[in-house]
Amino acid sequence: GAVVSQHPSWVICKSGTSVKIECRSLDFQATTMFWYRQFPKQSLMLMATSNEGSKATYEQGVEKDKFLINHASLTLSTLTVTSAHPEDSSFYICSAQGQGVNEQFFGPGTRLTVL
Amino acid sequence: DAKTTQPPSMDCAEGRAANLPCNHSTISGNEYVYWYRQIHSQGPQYIIHGLKNNETNEMASLIITEDRKSSTLILPHATLRDTAVYYCILLGSARQLTFGSGTQLTVLP
Repeated sequence: GAVVSQHPSWVICKSGTSVKIECRSLDFQATTMFWYRQFPKQSLMLMATSNEGSKATYEQGVEKDKFLINHASLTLSTLTVTSAHPEDSSFYICSAQGQGVNEQFFGPGTRLTVL
Repeated sequence: DAKTTQPPSMDCAEGRAANLPCNHSTISGNEYVYWYRQIHSQGPQYIIHGLKNNETNEMASLIITEDRKSSTLILPHATLRDTAVYYCILLGSARQLTFGSGTQLTVLP
């Protein structure tokens, strides 16, 4: 299957700082990328959907000014958690989808811990 | 997208077939049945999908009932590495995946 990478795999930061997470599709062009968040012992929750070159569409309850998403190329999307707080600590997972294809291929996830 | 119902947990002996059920009684005609799994602390992994015919690949088989109201994912020879949470998801024109709580499959030695 297609390969999606995420960087970093884990990050610890202080409260109030910003953290950027990268999501890359390594062997295909991702016209759409998705960002999910997963709290312990819970399922994945979709945060936002981004199409290359367009503004992201955020799910209800997700603050677009706090979770900045950029999808500037067909192989890279970034999620920036601004002014992170301890309640933002979570497992952030991206997925990528090619044009005309329904399958989403997921990255390995990034564990964010905010102290 | 329509909702799915899965048992919260199942056990399976190593080497035996694991049969994971999924009910989707309100499925629409254009919705596909997708299966993903998530091993602890990793991103979900695509397994298989189907519309109305049974499907098989190197990982698993998917059996969809004729009325499409339920399906079964079959791992023919479960190994310890198949221990994971398995998600049955319906995907329609919105092309978005909505994850439910899934089934925690534990393969026992």
